[in-house]
Amino acid sequence: AQKITQTQPGMFVQEKEAVTLDCTYDTSDQSYGLFWYKQPSSGEMIFLIYQGSYDEQNATEGRYSLNFQKARKSANLVISASQLGDSAMYFCAMRGMYSGGGADGLTFGKGTHLIIQP
Amino acid sequence: NAGVTQTPKFRILKIGQSMTLQCTQDMNHNYMYWYRQDPGMGLKLIYYSVGAGITDKGEVPNGYNVSRSTTEDFPLRLELAAPSQTSVYFCASSAVLSGPYQETQYFGPGTRLLVL
Repeated sequence: AQKITQTQPGMFVQEKEAVTLDCTYDTSDQSYGLFWYKQPSSGEMIFLIYQGSYDEQNATEGRYSLNFQKARKSANLVISASQLGDSAMYFCAMRGMYSGGGADGLTFGKGTHLIIQP
Repeated sequence: NAGVTQTPKFRILKIGQSMTLQCTQDMNHNYMYWYRQDPGMGLKLIYYSVGAGITDKGEVPNGYNVSRSTTEDFPLRLELAAPSQTSVYFCASSAVLSGPYQETQYFGPGTRLLVL
């Protein structure tokens, strides 16, 4: 079974500062993918960034980067130069590779509520 | 493209009633999913489908049924609604795996369900 742990229920960050959201995972799969989603107060789920377990470089997407440390089983999201619009819930999720290339869904953490203060 | 659409946006059900949550995607994705999100929690997988005519259970399937007669549609059926099914329901879709984990799941806007 897979498990995602997000240990920060909530965070307050000053605007323009960088912020790191923690995510650790547990899986017995050799190959897997890690995802971060943003959920603003309006409720939709917005894909931010993806990291494959065999990717040698950390993923980056604009102001988002993923600090992937495979040995420590961590996949922290880093947001540079935070903006007021970054205030939202952030979910870390993963998906493993099952024999036969199954398409099971994502396993989500409980999320971190990020509030950016002016 | 509209992406993933869900109807209704909000619904109140009485205990014991039934309803169908609709989900449609126009991206020609083979894989589709239903999740539920309880207050203060992450999403949990209810059912998923790898193509028309093929469905399988996720982590929390009890009390739900699905069907997949077309690539585009993946309705979720609630029979005998219970208060424990009060939640926000998200439908998602993704493309066929073309490489290990390169696909991304795209989510609909969600359906908020209240069972009283």
